Amino acid sequence: GENVEQHPSTLSVQEGDSAVIKCTYSDSASNYFPWYKQELGKRPQLIIDIRSNVGEKKDQRIAVTLNKTAKHFSLHITETQPEDSAVYFCAATGRRALTFGSGTRLQVQP
Amino acid sequence: NAGVMQNPRHLVRRRGQEARLRCSPMKGHSHVYWYRQLPEEGLKFMVYLQKENIIDESGMPKERFSAEFPKEGPSILRIQQVVRGDSAAYFCASSPSGQGHEQYFGPGTRLTVT
Repeated sequence: GENVEQHPSTLSVQEGDSAVIKCTYSDSASNYFPWYKQELGKRPQLIIDIRSNVGEKKDQRIAVTLNKTAKHFSLHITETQPEDSAVYFCAATGRRALTFGSGTRLQVQP
Repeated sequence: NAGVMQNPRHLVRRRGQEARLRCSPMKGHSHVYWYRQLPEEGLKFMVYLQKENIIDESGMPKERFSAEFPKEGPSILRIQQVVRGDSAAYFCASSPSGQGHEQYFGPGTRLTVT
């Protein structure tokens, strides 16, 4: 089955800096890669996604890149704000359902 | 357009009791997924259902756990004879189509087994 690895597990940045979270996946058939943000005690919220026919996608301060050859994809958050503090999960569509990474706890210091 | 609904939001059961968790997908969504999240951990896939069909239950424990998504009504995740290790947050998600489409999560049910 699909295996998704996510790094780093924790990330602390100063407000205004950029944050980058990286994931690798194992199943070359995976074709959909969403990113979720989860605040404490809340549901995971889809913040951006990318499909395998696209190399990069951007939405305001958030961007995602995908390298199919290397089987890795990354989340980039620019001009971070305290409200960006949360746990971020990457995921990849395996044969059936999403396989999630283990999460990155992002702390933005004001 | 209401989002994914789950109830109850919190459920306390004693060891040996049964837990029933309900999930109503977003309007127009016919695909439902259940995930389990232990404290400080990621989301683990349990089961994927369409109306009246289990598509993939490869993440479900072999015993005590079952799921259904009837023609009418919500999807139900049932845990029989609960044990302390079943304490977790259980999230369901729905999507308009299957693999490769965005999934939207419900608020979760936090199960505590005492």
